[in-house]
Amino acid sequence: GQQLNQSPQSMFIQEGEDVSMNCTSSSIFNTWLWYKQDPGEGPVLLIALYKAGELTSNGRLTAQFGITRKDSFLNISASIPSDVGIYFCAGQLPNDYKLSFGAGTTVTVRA
Amino acid sequence: NAGVTQTPKFQVLKTGQSMTLQCAQDMNHNSMYWYRQDPGMGLRLIYYSASEGTTDKGEVPNGYNVSRLNKREFSLRLESAAPSQTSVYFCAMGQESSYEQYFGPGTRLTVT
Repeated sequence: GQQLNQSPQSMFIQEGEDVSMNCTSSSIFNTWLWYKQDPGEGPVLLIALYKAGELTSNGRLTAQFGITRKDSFLNISASIPSDVGIYFCAGQLPNDYKLSFGAGTTVTVRA
Repeated sequence: NAGVTQTPKFQVLKTGQSMTLQCAQDMNHNSMYWYRQDPGMGLRLIYYSASEGTTDKGEVPNGYNVSRLNKREFSLRLESAAPSQTSVYFCAMGQESSYEQYFGPGTRLTVT
């Protein structure tokens, strides 16, 4: 699949902090998706983005589809302990319904 | 993970043994996928099925076979398990109109 570079690889955050993570590629994508995986569970879809420049929120989560269509960002505001987990970005290339996944950002919250 | 069920949840195999991982969806979606997840490597596509009766190789198909039994079920078979196949396996179903995929709870496989 296409290489998606997700950063940071991991982060320790203080409860109440805002955090950001991003996903970049050398390829143009038509769709960006963000998933969260809790320990021992399957990934759960958080936000889906379909248009360049689109900004979408889901509670304390906000994601943006980059203008160049080669990147996407996810922000979590006012972190709480249940934000712990692995966050994955996924992109859908033009004319292909398969997804390419980033390696994930592991989030650990300090109470 | 509503809509996608996987069995078994855990499995330990000896090298050379065979087994089939089962996946079923109740959302009437056409496309289904099998991924493996290894530490630090994200999700890698093994096989996928765009519709009932069709299957195609993904990024890492070697050592696996699949069957799309009907629209609901998509199974993954390891004919002769190897330690390199120790992984967590996820099945997903796809919503064609939006490219969103929804995952099952996973099967944790250890090959000794």
